[in-house]
Amino acid sequence: SQKIEQNSEALNIQEGKTATLTCNYTNYSPAYLQWYRQDPGRGPVFLLLIRENEKEKRKERLKVTFDTTLKQSLFHITASQPADSATYLCAPLGTGFQKLVFGTGTRLLVSP
Amino acid sequence: GAVVSQHPSWVICKSGTSVKIECRSLDFQATTMFWYRQFPKQSLMLMATSNEGSKATYEQGVEKDKFLINHASLTLSTLTVTSAHPEDSSFYICSARDERTSGYSYEQYFGPGTRLTVT
Repeated sequence: SQKIEQNSEALNIQEGKTATLTCNYTNYSPAYLQWYRQDPGRGPVFLLLIRENEKEKRKERLKVTFDTTLKQSLFHITASQPADSATYLCAPLGTGFQKLVFGTGTRLLVSP
Repeated sequence: GAVVSQHPSWVICKSGTSVKIECRSLDFQATTMFWYRQFPKQSLMLMATSNEGSKATYEQGVEKDKFLINHASLTLSTLTVTSAHPEDSSFYICSARDERTSGYSYEQYFGPGTRLTVT
């Protein structure tokens, strides 16, 4: 069956450091992979999408990589800030408009 | 960006009663909306795909007779939890995609969620 796995334990880092979150998937062949941010008691917010033929995508302090051989995406936040503390969710998807299925999510805590 | 609203933001109901949650796309039309449920410290679980003018498509294990979905217009989908029980207490979130603009990104816009507590 299809599985999307993210680090279930919270990631604690210090302000200014780079946070790296992992998304692994099995029994999927996604054409795209999305990353979302979710704050407590709120709906997710879209951050980035990366295509299967893109190895890396950047947006401000965010960087996403996509390795279809390893079936893995890495999500980096450079120069992290306490305001980056949230849960980050990955969602692989195929071509065409499809329903989103999320990974388990990783909670990031950035301490001052 | 596009905005999705939900109403109510929270609701408390007694066991055995029914509760209706509304999801609206405020500045765009959505032929498809999605309903998710999230338990504390867990990820979002897709419940069903709501299709305007037709029946909803439910995920495996989701009771369609218990979670009634009606997508009556291009801007409104409703989820009715029928004969609610305490185990239905959860955070319900809807989402929609603005098909005019999201194109390449397949970005979905999520509502703020509805906290349901069944006593």
